[in-house]
Amino acid sequence: EVQLVQSGAEVKKPGESLKISCKASGYSFTSYWIGWVRQMPGKGLEWMGTIYPGDSDTRYSPSFQGQVTFSVDKSISTAYLQWNSLKASDTAMYYCARRLYSTEEFDPWGQGTLVTVS
Amino acid sequence: DIQLTQSPSFLSASVGDRVTITCRASRGISSSLAWYQQKPGKAPKLLIYAASTLQSGVPSRFSGSGSGTEFTLTISSLQPEDFATYYCQQVASYPLTFGGGTKVEIK
Repeated sequence: EVQLVQSGAEVKKPGESLKISCKASGYSFTSYWIGWVRQMPGKGLEWMGTIYPGDSDTRYSPSFQGQVTFSVDKSISTAYLQWNSLKASDTAMYYCARRLYSTEEFDPWGQGTLVTVS
Repeated sequence: DIQLTQSPSFLSASVGDRVTITCRASRGISSSLAWYQQKPGKAPKLLIYAASTLQSGVPSRFSGSGSGTEFTLTISSLQPEDFATYYCQQVASYPLTFGGGTKVEIK
């Protein structure tokens, strides 16, 4: 079974750094793009970008370019989303998701990681 | 960026009803559109991709149609487990974008 399991909820202060994780299982991690999606409280979905674990090729949404960093550790089939200096406006649920093999849609999704900055 | 406008944003319906949700793109995207279902407190789930292709395991009461700038998601007979928020997503060009969502509630 293809599964993405994300790290637990985080509570941070403004200015702190954070790295959340997304561990993949049940498929060849290096063969599928992984994407990140933000959902602010009570709001809709926002595409942040994607990373290809095979060579760490990345595509960022202009809205998130320079604000976050995607990375992977192939040895443990894990993707990461990182902030160097959090803001209160980063408070949201963050989802990782696997892209379909040859198209851009996401399936399946991780369970989400709630990040609270206060 | 391509903007996606969903209508209605809120829909009240009864079990057994036929429900249609519309997604309009700000410019033509061929058939590069997906639909997702999100239940409260849960991650989204892919229902349809390439405008009309049902993802594996999704019940056949869900269907999608359209191309260019206008798309629809239809639920032929609404079931209790279908009460959720539905989002469209365009995958034609970067940055990928989502519609604002349609919340389907029980009448």
